[in-house]
Parts: sequence; structure tokens; C-alpha cells
Amino acid sequence: DGGITQSPKYLFRKEGQNVTLSCEQNLNHDAMYWYRQDPGQGLRLIYYSQIVNDFQKGDIAEGYSVSREKKESFPLTVTSAQKNPTAFYLCASSIVGRGLEAFFGQGTRLTVV
Amino acid sequence: GESVGLHLPTLSVQEGDNSIINCAYSNSASDYFIWYKQESGKGPQFIIDIRSNMDKRQGQRVTVLLNKTVKHLSLQIAATQPGDSAVYFCAENRGNAGGTSYGKLTFGQGTILTVHP
Repeated sequence: DGGITQSPKYLFRKEGQNVTLSCEQNLNHDAMYWYRQDPGQGLRLIYYSQIVNDFQKGDIAEGYSVSREKKESFPLTVTSAQKNPTAFYLCASSIVGRGLEAFFGQGTRLTVV
Repeated sequence: GESVGLHLPTLSVQEGDNSIINCAYSNSASDYFIWYKQESGKGPQFIIDIRSNMDKRQGQRVTVLLNKTVKHLSLQIAATQPGDSAVYFCAENRGNAGGTSYGKLTFGQGTILTVHP
């Protein structure tokens, strides 16, 4: 079955540590996105990538980094510079083009302990 | 600043009633809008979309209305069922001639829909 997979589902991190969230898709989508969701809030865009080896900052990129070495994969690193990393992180993918829906993974809940 | 927002954060209805969820947007350049449903602890699921050259679009039990004059979007759910209970988000796609923003969605705050049996 085609889809988008995020792992792990739950992740705990000590303060000062970097942590990487995985996102893999087998939908053959060119574009991939990372969103952050805080309780009772909408989704805010962290980074997005329209093509392999290229990515753009979203609205809240500070403290995060990404890479896009393969079409299928778009890992997100939450660095120690991110002051409030505890949140629900959602990865999405879409076909590049006008007005096309994004398909979402099931999310990773990151907690800093 | 430009934003997508919702008029009501919560909506409670009885099973079988029709539900209407509203959304206001401020960017007149947005050309594509989507409604997503998010159940607790899960990623958003696509419900229905509409392009800016349309006023209305219907799906199975759902209808989206777009009023560009007042920059307003609504989602109507017919015969609401307990399984419809979730958070509903509207999102806009601010496409531009350069093409790099297509697919980059801006989300509203969300409305919590609760359906009582």
C-alpha cells in the first residue's frame, strides 16, 4: 500500500540533545513538508522541499534542519537551538503543481524531558 | 498579517443534524482551499477541496462553499454521525507565478466538532 510513514510515534529527548524524526513516502511525490502542531493549535510549516537536494524554510524554521537526499525521504532534525521542541510533528507529501492536496503521516510526538 | 482562521473553536451537534464549520481567510491571492479532518493523535485526513474559480463543491455528505467577496469558506456535513467527531481544519494554498509555493499550505486554528448520540 502506498503511503507516508513517520517514525517513531513517540520520542523523548533530553534537553541539549539533537534528535532526528524520520519521514518516508512511497507515493512518488516530489514535494514533502514538515509541520509542527501544538495543543489546540493549527499546523505551522517548518520546512518544505519541492525536489531532491533542495528545500525551503517555512514559517518556523529556527532550531530545525532538514535534508532531502532521496525523493522518498525527508528527515527532520530538532536541534538543541529549538527552545520549545515539545510538540506533535507531522510530515506530508504532495505532487508538485497547482492546488494539490497534501497527504499526511500519523505524526511523531516529541517530548523533552 | 495574512492568516486563515476559524470563527468558532468548538461545535456540538446531535447525531443526524447538519453541521456547518466556518473559516475566514485574508489572502485574496489564495487559489485553492482544502478541508482536513484530524482525529486525536493522528495526522490530518483530506475531506474535500475547492479552487478559487468555484463557489461550491459537493462530496459524499460534505459540501464546501467559497465566498470570495467576503473571503469566507464553510464546510457543511449532512446527517452528522458520531464518527465525524474530530478537529476540522481549513487550509489555503497561496500559489504564485514562481511555482515554489504550490502545495505549501497555511492552516487555520481548527474547530472541534463533537457529535452527541
